Amino acid sequence: EDQVTQSPEALRLQEGESSSLNCSYTVSGLRGLFWYRQDPGKGPEFLFTLYSAGEEKEKERLKATLTKKESFLHITAPKPEDSATYLCAVQASRGTGNQFYFGTGTSLTVIP
Amino acid sequence: GAVVSQHPSRVICKSGTSVKIECRSLDFQATTMFWYRQFPKQSLMLMATSNEGSKATYEQGVEKDKFLINHASLTLSTLTVTSAHPEDSSFYICSARDSGRAPDTQYFGPGTRLTVL
Repeated sequence: EDQVTQSPEALRLQEGESSSLNCSYTVSGLRGLFWYRQDPGKGPEFLFTLYSAGEEKEKERLKATLTKKESFLHITAPKPEDSATYLCAVQASRGTGNQFYFGTGTSLTVIP
Repeated sequence: GAVVSQHPSRVICKSGTSVKIECRSLDFQATTMFWYRQFPKQSLMLMATSNEGSKATYEQGVEKDKFLINHASLTLSTLTVTSAHPEDSSFYICSARDSGRAPDTQYFGPGTRLTVL
């Protein structure tokens, strides 16, 4: 069964305390894996796209990595403004089209 | 770049009325747009995929006669919730795929909060 699972569901960090969010997937025909940030009451904001195992992308305090089974979003020295829900999505080839599978997100709270 | 707008951001309507939500790609052409709904503290639920100039593809369990989707141009898709009822109250989010720049990436709009009284 095609599935995208994110863990943990919720994470509380002290400001400056680095950590990682996990996105594991059991999807065949991977075309890409996406990370988004979503603030309450707003639409998701695109962060990264990863296409192949071994690929890494960085943006400010965030770094995304990809293996054949999972992706990690590393947050280095987080600040309170990094508090948000982080969503992972996988795009897979299906017949003549593509299918997107979203995880349920990790709610991150960074405490000053 | 890659900005998607939605209008309105919030709407309150009476039960039985219809509500139209617009989704626009502001700085790119989007042959494909997606419509999602999201319940509190839950992830996105894909409702339908909208392709410019053709009929939308609805996900299983989504009533196509209730959620009318029109993708009349490369920058505009609309979702009309017909005969809305309180159970249709939700956060509706659209996304658009920039087929020219990043064909596999979806860019999301800010969402529309619908409340049906």
